[in-house]
Amino acid sequence: DIQMTQSPSSLSASVGDRVTISCRASQSISSYLNWYQQRPGKAPKLLIYAASSLLSGVPSRFTGSGSGTDFTLTISSLQPEDFATYYCQQSYSTPYTFGQGTKLEIK
Amino acid sequence: QVQLQESGPGLVKPSETLSLTCTVSGGSIRTNYWSWIRQPPGKGLEWIGYIYYSGSTNYNPFLKSRVTISVDTSKNQFSLKVSSVTAADTAVYYCARRDYYGDPTGRSWFDPWGQGTLVIVSS
Repeated sequence: DIQMTQSPSSLSASVGDRVTISCRASQSISSYLNWYQQRPGKAPKLLIYAASSLLSGVPSRFTGSGSGTDFTLTISSLQPEDFATYYCQQSYSTPYTFGQGTKLEIK
Repeated sequence: QVQLQESGPGLVKPSETLSLTCTVSGGSIRTNYWSWIRQPPGKGLEWIGYIYYSGSTNYNPFLKSRVTISVDTSKNQFSLKVSSVTAADTAVYYCARRDYYGDPTGRSWFDPWGQGTLVIVSS
């Protein structure tokens, strides 16, 4: 199985900050990488697919980049609704696997 | 727009079979692939498997021997069964569409998701 490792596991930031979350795959996965946001008690929501494609309706402050084994999710200017847990997920091969999550908290 | 809704018992006894159904509305199940994903309390996400409307399936090996995913195109539903459950199967279970563009064996992602349903395994 492909292991997905996110860093950091948790992050404190303030409204307006720029934050970056990293995701590393245990082997090359090209651009087969997706990012999800999960608010407490809610289902995950897709933000970014194929490493850098922004899902329609998702604010442009979210950007994804990377290929191969190293990927990043950047939020350019944090808004109150962005405080949530973020997961990366590889679709290069089954079984599909997720990172352990990065919890973004208000400082 | 496509919406998904999980349904089924919230409490299952150990050694019994967990059964859930996902109803697809706003679109036909005869497109894309359809997945089940679970999240144990306070933990991360685990992909269980997916099914195509034709009935072809792909399961995660960690559950493969106990999992069956089926589809009922007449009802626009797909279902999950997990046999011989233990407390370790306690989780929120989500259904989701496995979407892709172009080659179905290529880049894919899960969108949209159902709201999730908590299943507790306990006597």
